[in-house]
Amino acid sequence: QQPVQSPQAVILREGEDAVINCSSSKALYSVHWYRQKHGEAPVFLMILLKGGEQKGHEKISASFNEKKQQSSLYLTASQLSYSGTYFCGTEGWSSYDKVIFGPGTSLSVIP
Amino acid sequence: KAGVTQTPRYLIKTRGQQVTLSCSPISGHRSVSWYQQTPGQGLQFLFEYFSETQRNKGNFPGRFSGRQFSNSRSEMNVSTLELGDSALYLCASSSGTAGNTIYFGEGSWLTVV
Repeated sequence: QQPVQSPQAVILREGEDAVINCSSSKALYSVHWYRQKHGEAPVFLMILLKGGEQKGHEKISASFNEKKQQSSLYLTASQLSYSGTYFCGTEGWSSYDKVIFGPGTSLSVIP
Repeated sequence: KAGVTQTPRYLIKTRGQQVTLSCSPISGHRSVSWYQQTPGQGLQFLFEYFSETQRNKGNFPGRFSGRQFSNSRSEMNVSTLELGDSALYLCASSSGTAGNTIYFGEGSWLTVV
């Protein structure tokens, strides 16, 4: 079951904030967030695990509501470099579960 | 350490031909997954290999196949190419256990004419 992402697209001015949401209909063990720029491979941003542990390496924050199977990615004080398509990937509880990615959210930051 | 390496980066094939794409995962990673990406379609899961065994499979026709070698390198093959197979094919490697980061390669751009 592919996760649902919202919004589909968003345009921001530099310095503005944005929130991208991801929801799933199944019980989740983890949520992965990636950003992809045009013509490039998706780049890892953050992973959120059941129990609240977060692993990431950029100045981007996220939350994971385990009860609602929802995650949100928070982009604050956006920069031009934040432009790209953001994908969330959801992973179930089975050790054999695969990561399924949502359709993506296109984010454009303009001067 | 070296990242995920995919070859070739770009290729053009004729309808009806077959193609083989290669992926070398990050050293120590035992899981390799393949995704197809077309404009507006997001990342569609093809299959995952773990320790030379196919562990998961997406909803693609049998023309799409793959394998993994003992050194964790993986290949995917598409036979009887169709125009609709034109896409970016991404390989992703991970340790294979839940909650671990997936790292993507640069991808192989396939154009079918």
